[in-house]
Amino acid sequence: KQEVTQIPAALSVPEGENLVLNCSFTDSAIYNLQWFRQDPGKGLTSLLLIQSSQREQTSGRLNASLDKSSGRSTLYIAASQPGDSATYLCAVIGSGGGADGLTFGKGTHLIIQP
Amino acid sequence: DAGVIQSPRHEVTEMGQEVTLRCKPISGHDYLFWYRQTMMRGLELLIYFNNNVPIDDSGMPEDRFSAKMPNASFSTLKIQPSEPRDSAVYFCASIRGNTEAFFGQGTRLTVV
Repeated sequence: KQEVTQIPAALSVPEGENLVLNCSFTDSAIYNLQWFRQDPGKGLTSLLLIQSSQREQTSGRLNASLDKSSGRSTLYIAASQPGDSATYLCAVIGSGGGADGLTFGKGTHLIIQP
Repeated sequence: DAGVIQSPRHEVTEMGQEVTLRCKPISGHDYLFWYRQTMMRGLELLIYFNNNVPIDDSGMPEDRFSAKMPNASFSTLKIQPSEPRDSAVYFCASIRGNTEAFFGQGTRLTVV
């Protein structure tokens, strides 16, 4: 059974810093990996999707990398801003695609101090 | 498209009552998922459908929970009878094939 772990569970940094959030998964036979953001009391907003054949994806100040063989992904946030404060969730879809569903980590709660 | 739409956004009910949560997936998406989120357990997959057919309901906690998808544009998650430990945020998500998953805003259920 796929298990997804996110480290750290919580992170608090001053505004302007670059930071890295980590995600690891136990079964490397994945179809893709997706990073989400969740604000308090809100739903999940998709940030980046990385297909298994890709190594990274970029959107603005966000860059996500994927090393499928080692079961790891990182989300890099450049020049952090207070508006980036949220919980960041990593999810993988197994090699069966949608048929395997998304397995989530428990998230990293990020606070950017003004 | 308006995205995945869930209703109601908030539901407060008394223990023992029936609760029905609703979801409208994105048009054209062939997978629909129901998740439950709590502080203790995070996001748990309850059940998912492919082309309106339930594929895996192994995450449904008890027989009190049931889900249906009568057509491609509508799904329900029902709890009968509800209990305080069912209090959580319930999310619906949809996917087309193996692409990006989109989530609804969730239904916050409180059972008193």
